[in-house]
Amino acid sequence: QSALTQPRSVSGSPGQSVTISCTGSNSDIGAYNYVSWYQQHPGKAPKVIIYDVNKRPSGVPNRFSGSKSGTTASLTISGLQAEDEADYYCCSYAGTYRGVFGGGTKVIVL
Amino acid sequence: QVQLQESGPGLVKPSQTLSLTCTVSGASISSGDYYWSWIRQNPRKGLEWIGYIFHTGSTYYNPSLESRVNISVDTSKNQFFLRLCSMTAADTAVYYCARDSIYDNCFDPWGQGTLVTVSS
Repeated sequence: QSALTQPRSVSGSPGQSVTISCTGSNSDIGAYNYVSWYQQHPGKAPKVIIYDVNKRPSGVPNRFSGSKSGTTASLTISGLQAEDEADYYCCSYAGTYRGVFGGGTKVIVL
Repeated sequence: QVQLQESGPGLVKPSQTLSLTCTVSGASISSGDYYWSWIRQNPRKGLEWIGYIFHTGSTYYNPSLESRVNISVDTSKNQFFLRLCSMTAADTAVYYCARDSIYDNCFDPWGQGTLVTVSS
């Protein structure tokens, strides 16, 4: 099972919006509505910010949103803030794999 | 508040077996709503799901690691365990335990992680 494909980095100024893509296949993202996104600050454990493609856990700001089209999922951060600078990972259920992860995207706040 | 905490050796020799413990607080491992997973992270392969266990003892493993992995549970101590044998340098990683929602396929929360280095 191949990892999901994410851009290495995206950047934006405070207040702007950035979108991270996550490309999979018909065996993972394309087959199931079980895409989750995780935020990871340096030296910390990942924290879920989106699950089931577009649901936000309690306490996650509504500037984080998720979507999916075909075999590509996306995470959008609207109104970028300094504390959003972190690594972001997508994850999809893939049948024989409980979770297949993307390689991670570093969000840089300019 | 649910918390998970990994514990175990930080250094393992090549060919030896890694043994890690995850202690869960704030929730019961016996809950039927969750699996309990192990995930690892290293710079080369990124995040990799290793496997999960249900409170009944049922397990499911990453096919690429299945021949070397064993996950077990002690519900009386609210702990679950990872054993990974025939360790090599490629197994050097931060190992996390995480709660895994059965219904939403979502890992939440994660433990703080423990760095395991494979070296002689």
